[in-house]
Amino acid sequence: AQTVTQSQPEMSVQEAETVTLSCTYDTSESDYYLFWYKQPPSRQMILVIRQEAYKQQNATENRFSVNFQKAAKSFSLKISDSQLGDAAMYFCAYRPSYNNNDMRFGAGTRLTVKP
Amino acid sequence: KAGVTQTPRYLIKTRGQQVTLSCSPISGHRSVSWYQQTPGQGLQFLFEYFSETQRNKGNFPGRFSGRQFSNSRSEMNVSTLELGDSALYLCASSTDTYNEQFFGPGTRLTVL
Repeated sequence: AQTVTQSQPEMSVQEAETVTLSCTYDTSESDYYLFWYKQPPSRQMILVIRQEAYKQQNATENRFSVNFQKAAKSFSLKISDSQLGDAAMYFCAYRPSYNNNDMRFGAGTRLTVKP
Repeated sequence: KAGVTQTPRYLIKTRGQQVTLSCSPISGHRSVSWYQQTPGQGLQFLFEYFSETQRNKGNFPGRFSGRQFSNSRSEMNVSTLELGDSALYLCASSTDTYNEQFFGPGTRLTVL
């Protein structure tokens, strides 16, 4: 079974600083997708970034980037130049490439951004 | 394009009742998935519908059921509600089974 672990229930960052959220996963599959979702207090889940396991290059979306270490099964999210609007719950998620149904989520990390 | 919409946003029921939640996917999206989110269990997959057919089901009792209509709108039904069914129910849509999911705002169900 695939599991996703986020070891940091809460994180805090000063505005304009950089923060890294950790995620590890367990799978026997070689082809899969990894995601970071953001859930602000309004509750709507928003996709932040996605990574295909077959791609060695780390995904980047503006201030958001990942450090994908396939051998270590690690998928961390780095937020640069943190903004107040980045405050939210962040969920790491995994799904095999062949099955959209089997999306597994981590427990989430609550990020607080201090002005 | 309008996003995924869910109705109602909030619902209060009592034990033993049944409830129906609705999800309207993004136009053109044929896959709709349902998730339950609770503080204790986190986000758990309920089921996915694609072109009116249930593709897969998570590990939930038979009291949880769903359906999808020809316009891709989906409903989720929970019968004989239990206190533990109190949760945020999220719906997500995608163009097909393998593509990125877009989430709705959720329905907050409280069972008293």
